[in-house]
Amino acid sequence: EAGVAQSPRYKIIEKRQSVAFWCNPISGHATLYWYQQILGQGPKLLIQFQNNGVVDDSQLPKDRFSAERLKGVDSTLKIQPAKLEDSAVYLCASSLVRGRSYNEQFFGPGTRLTVL
Amino acid sequence: EDKVVQSPLSLVVHEGDTVTLNCSYEVTNFRSLLWYKQEKKAPTFLFMLTSSGIEKKSGRLSSILDKKELFSILNITATQTGDSAVYLCAVTRGAQKLVFGQGTRLTINP
Repeated sequence: EAGVAQSPRYKIIEKRQSVAFWCNPISGHATLYWYQQILGQGPKLLIQFQNNGVVDDSQLPKDRFSAERLKGVDSTLKIQPAKLEDSAVYLCASSLVRGRSYNEQFFGPGTRLTVL
Repeated sequence: EDKVVQSPLSLVVHEGDTVTLNCSYEVTNFRSLLWYKQEKKAPTFLFMLTSSGIEKKSGRLSSILDKKELFSILNITATQTGDSAVYLCAVTRGAQKLVFGQGTRLTINP
């Protein structure tokens, strides 16, 4: 079974530029998550989708970050304009939806963003 | 505010040693606690704990949850260099939302 795919793996941009990341979840996984992991910290949830609807975006800085999952499969996360503090690894994860119990999240390899 | 705190933040031991990693939490609507291993980028799942006092074991790794005192420990016995990684603790808030701790960086020297 193919895992969660992300691209690009690395990105270096200057502050105030725009950047986009792409994620393709495991086939059949209805729930998709984007996390931000700053160096030395644990991942922080930015946004959670179920199919193409947003479940939780309470920690997404909406003035500069946006995300979409138009057809309920792959997703893009955009930052516009980027700030120095956005330098981090952006992790995508996906999970099945089975009842109300916790469903294991499978993580992709991440995209390391460096903002200069 | 939800809080997951891991200790120590960093640990260096020799191969063959036993290590204990700690995780304490304050989370509303707690459901379960999970441990992940992060070697390069993607965290990989180790354990999920939902009941107090029941040890989960996988090879040289074991973990236990104390829901009264709001903490968990992860033990690794007979450590190997391949155990070097960041170990992340996370709690589920509600059914799906994960709140992570800051991680413990474990280094095993030969």
